[in-house]
Amino acid sequence: DIVMTQSPDSLAVSLGERASISCKSSQTVFHSSNNKNWLAWYRQKPGQSPELLVYWASTRQSGVPDRFRGSGSGTDFTLTISSLQAEDVAVYYCHQYYKTPYTFGQGTKLEI
Amino acid sequence: EVQLVESGGGLVQPGRSLRLSCAAAGFKFDDYAMHWVRQSPKKGLEWVSSLNRNRATIAYAESVKGRFTISRDNAKNSLYLQMDSLRVEDSGLYYCASGNVIGHWGRGTLVTVSS
Repeated sequence: DIVMTQSPDSLAVSLGERASISCKSSQTVFHSSNNKNWLAWYRQKPGQSPELLVYWASTRQSGVPDRFRGSGSGTDFTLTISSLQAEDVAVYYCHQYYKTPYTFGQGTKLEI
Repeated sequence: EVQLVESGGGLVQPGRSLRLSCAAAGFKFDDYAMHWVRQSPKKGLEWVSSLNRNRATIAYAESVKGRFTISRDNAKNSLYLQMDSLRVEDSGLYYCASGNVIGHWGRGTLVTVSS
């Protein structure tokens, strides 16, 4: 199985400041079939279901604000929130869909 | 607007069965893969099973293989999860999700396995 490891487990950032979350996979999630990284990021606000922010490691889902940016390739990935808003208080997860069993990171709790 | 509404959860004793359903609306159901993902405080988000749009590709987590069966009815825009021989560790909030990349999630249905 591909193990997804996020760091840090929790993070406190001031409003308007930048937040960065790291995700490392135990093996590559880059697929030569489409030259893409099969890696997604989700935000789960308190009491809500996860919502897709980024897929293919760096493609923002429709409607997601441009303060969210995904980057990285191979086994190392980062989600950056450029200017933290109050609504960004949530747990963030990375997820590989490169191969089954699909796996998720343990989550990073982002607080203000 | 995409809507996914799960039902069928509840309290059940170990060894018994439950059948979860997911009603989908707001998108062309038979164009997309569908998934079940569960969440618990102990294990976090855990992928359970996926089924592609024409049922040709089905996959299960090792922990549920042989006990759970995923299915879909494209005519009814519905996804199902038959869960047999339930264990305490199967407890959690079960989400129905859609997309070739898991893009949309329902609100979940709670399954509690306890004696």
